[in-house]
Amino acid sequence: DGGITQSPKYLFRKEGQNVTLSCEQNLNHDAMYWYRQDPGQGLRLIYYSQIVNDFQKGDIAEGYSVSREKKESFPLTVTSAQKNPTAFYLCASSNDRLSEKLFFGSGTQLSVL
Amino acid sequence: DQQVKQNSPSLSVQEGRISILNCDYTNSMFDYFLWYKKYPAEGPTFLISISSIKDKNEDGRFTVFLNKSAKHLSLHIVPSQPGDSAVYFCAASAPMTSGSRLTFGEGTQLTVNP
Repeated sequence: DGGITQSPKYLFRKEGQNVTLSCEQNLNHDAMYWYRQDPGQGLRLIYYSQIVNDFQKGDIAEGYSVSREKKESFPLTVTSAQKNPTAFYLCASSNDRLSEKLFFGSGTQLSVL
Repeated sequence: DQQVKQNSPSLSVQEGRISILNCDYTNSMFDYFLWYKKYPAEGPTFLISISSIKDKNEDGRFTVFLNKSAKHLSLHIVPSQPGDSAVYFCAASAPMTSGSRLTFGEGTQLTVNP
């Protein structure tokens, strides 16, 4: 059963703490993306990766970091430099770098304690 | 600068009637438009798309209309069903040499009442 798995579903971060959100896909997709959703706003692109070992900053990359060591995995780290991390985070993939048809995971809700 | 706007945060319609969801954009470079549907606690799923060379695309109960001169697109759902109740996101993309850079609207919560 192919798809994108995000974990955990809910995550709490303490002040000054880095946290990592997991995203795994078994769709054999080359491109993967991280979006952030805030209430009343559209999805905003944080980072994207078109191939393994390569990634680019999106529109709101500050305070975040990613890695793409495997095709299946694209973890997102929310660092302590991200001053307003509370949001719903969505991971997505597409089957080629020019495809706009994204397949999304079910999201991770990050909150600050 | 919100390049894609969905001005109605919510819409409520009766089962069997038409639902019309609207989306406006400002970037004239956008040439491909998509609608995604999102249920609570799930990620968005692709619904329908349209290229700027067309003004209409139909898929079953769903039709997307594009008015390039007005920089406006709309999604029509006929007939509306209770299972259509979800948040609908409009998205747009411009030609790029690499990567997919969708710009999303804020979303419209559609509620279809039985």
